[in-house]
Amino acid sequence: EADIYQTPRYLVIGTGKKITLECSQTMGHDKMYWYQQDPGMELHLIHYSYGVNSTEKGDLSSESTVSRIRTEHFPLTLESARPSHTSQYLCASSEFDGGEQFFGPGTRLTVL
Amino acid sequence: SQKIEQNSEALNIQEGKTATLTCNYTNYSPAYLQWYRQDPGRGPVFLLLIRENEKEKRKERLKVTFDTTLKQSLFHITASQPADSATYLCALRTEYGNKLVFGAGTILRVKS
Repeated sequence: EADIYQTPRYLVIGTGKKITLECSQTMGHDKMYWYQQDPGMELHLIHYSYGVNSTEKGDLSSESTVSRIRTEHFPLTLESARPSHTSQYLCASSEFDGGEQFFGPGTRLTVL
Repeated sequence: SQKIEQNSEALNIQEGKTATLTCNYTNYSPAYLQWYRQDPGRGPVFLLLIRENEKEKRKERLKVTFDTTLKQSLFHITASQPADSATYLCALRTEYGNKLVFGAGTILRVKS
């Protein structure tokens, strides 16, 4: 089983709240990723990181931000949640560029 | 435009039969292609990776083929079991190297 963790698993929150989704991995991987996935749809890359202090936006525009202060930790923050942010957020890591990715269990976010 | 296409309709098969899932892509020149399994409400789990210079890859009951001329990968599960029921995603490492692009997946249902 992959050693990558996400909390919370489920979050229901009101519009305008600030939220942080946590992601941690214990495999020492430099590469980490955040994806957004709606039911029955593709995973869309919203952020990625090559290592500490390195973050890039992905292919899908997102109002969220990320930080990478420690190798094992890659949190995602929404400053002001809106109903359009309702989705599943998946965190992943990999050892090599474009290589096998290890996914966390996901956070199901609902913004009312 | 670049596109990855997987069967949008669910594949229903009888236990013991071979399941074959298709992944077609256009306007990509992938260095390699990966297959993942995703269960409802969970993150994807890596299954197999096949490189552009490999025609076929096997792992236990799984087999993947990769035809760069047809721009197609086939994923086979032999002697299928109800426990194989899940969504199967294909993902390409693009020629730009550092990211994966995922298809929307095909739902497989194996009936006993």
